[in-house]
Amino acid sequence: NAGVTQTPKFQVLKTGQSMTLQCAQDMNHNSMYWYRQDPGMGLRLIYYSASEGTTDKGEVPNGYNVSRLNKREFSLRLESAAPSQTSVYFCASKQGGALNTEAFFGQGTRLTVV
Amino acid sequence: GENVEQHPSTLSVQEGDSAVIKCTYSDSASNYFPWYKQELGKRPQLIIDIRSNVGEKKDQRIAVTLNKTAKHFSLHITETQPEDSAVYFCAASLYNNNDMRFGAGTRLTVKP
Repeated sequence: NAGVTQTPKFQVLKTGQSMTLQCAQDMNHNSMYWYRQDPGMGLRLIYYSASEGTTDKGEVPNGYNVSRLNKREFSLRLESAAPSQTSVYFCASKQGGALNTEAFFGQGTRLTVV
Repeated sequence: GENVEQHPSTLSVQEGDSAVIKCTYSDSASNYFPWYKQELGKRPQLIIDIRSNVGEKKDQRIAVTLNKTAKHFSLHITETQPEDSAVYFCAASLYNNNDMRFGAGTRLTVKP
């Protein structure tokens, strides 16, 4: 039982390059999330998906797109990376709905855009 | 969306002292308030949570209190130990709304 798995763990991009961060969970959770973590700014919600087939914007969605590929997988895409997107990215999942309980996080992806 | 503010941003205490971290939220409809601990280089992990139908919850040395009227909730850690040193995040959300917002975090340092 791996929980939430993110790939890659580290990535360096040049400005303007694109990439996709992958996330998969094996807990049969309905809800999945992407957050970015910057010093002094905590965890800011980029996008979330309440269930398979749905996605919603969080507080900092600009510059990102997401895909809920199936119940297990939720990917985050940077179409044209900018230095302001240098951050640590966390994927999370939880059961959601009336059973709104613990969110489980992946190990994080440290992204540097130069 | 929900806006969560957290104070202080840094907190330093002596081993054995108590630590208190406070959060306020903006959406009066929010009814689920978890606290996460993130050790250096690790992922955030849930340490305690509270729902709006209770005012206080305890788990050994940690407790959370909730004041729905004032829209604030607090984390209390008693008899602090060096292994309590970490960043702590509060969050707020609705039962049936999966939008979960976090505070900016508090870096707690417990000095031996």
